[in-house]
Amino acid sequence: DGGITQSPKYLFRKEGQNVTLSCEQNLNHDAMYWYRQDPGQGLRLIYYSQIVNDFQKGDIAEGYSVSREKKESFPLTVTSAQKNPTAFYLCASRIGPNTEAFFGQGTRLTVV
Amino acid sequence: SQQGEEDPQALSIQEGENATMNCSYKTSINNLQWYRQNSGRGLVHLILIRSNEREKHSGRLRVTLDTSKKSSSLLITASRAADTASYFCATDAVGGNNRKLIWGLGTSLAVNP
Repeated sequence: DGGITQSPKYLFRKEGQNVTLSCEQNLNHDAMYWYRQDPGQGLRLIYYSQIVNDFQKGDIAEGYSVSREKKESFPLTVTSAQKNPTAFYLCASRIGPNTEAFFGQGTRLTVV
Repeated sequence: SQQGEEDPQALSIQEGENATMNCSYKTSINNLQWYRQNSGRGLVHLILIRSNEREKHSGRLRVTLDTSKKSSSLLITASRAADTASYFCATDAVGGNNRKLIWGLGTSLAVNP
């Protein structure tokens, strides 16, 4: 079955710690995205990538980093510089512009 | 950046009633898309309507697009309790940076049995 997989589903981070959220897709999509969603809010774009080895900052990139070394993988690292990381993180992919996006099931990150 | 705005922010109806949600946007678009999100889950694509289309149907869903008013509506007919979710609109802008979807803030729909 083709799809997009995020792991883990729940993640707990201690103050000052970096954590990495995984996003893998087997849909052969070129474009991948990371969003942050806070309770009762819409989606805010963190980073996106249109092609392997290339990515661009979204609207709220500070405190986050990404890599795109393989077409199917787009991991997101939440660094200690992100002061308020507790949120629901969503990864998405699509073939390219003007097409539908497919979403993973999300990772809920909590700072403890 | 969030350019879409859905209204109402929240909607509560009885099972069997129709639900209508609206979305407004600011720039010229190639298409407008509607997505659904169940609580604590990822988003699921519902329907895509292109800028040269005025209406599109998919099962119990009907989407209209008025590019002159920069607005769209999503109608869910004969609603069911299972339709309870948040609904988001998203647009692909014309030209410039159309590589990312621009999202609205969503409408939370509650369908009461």
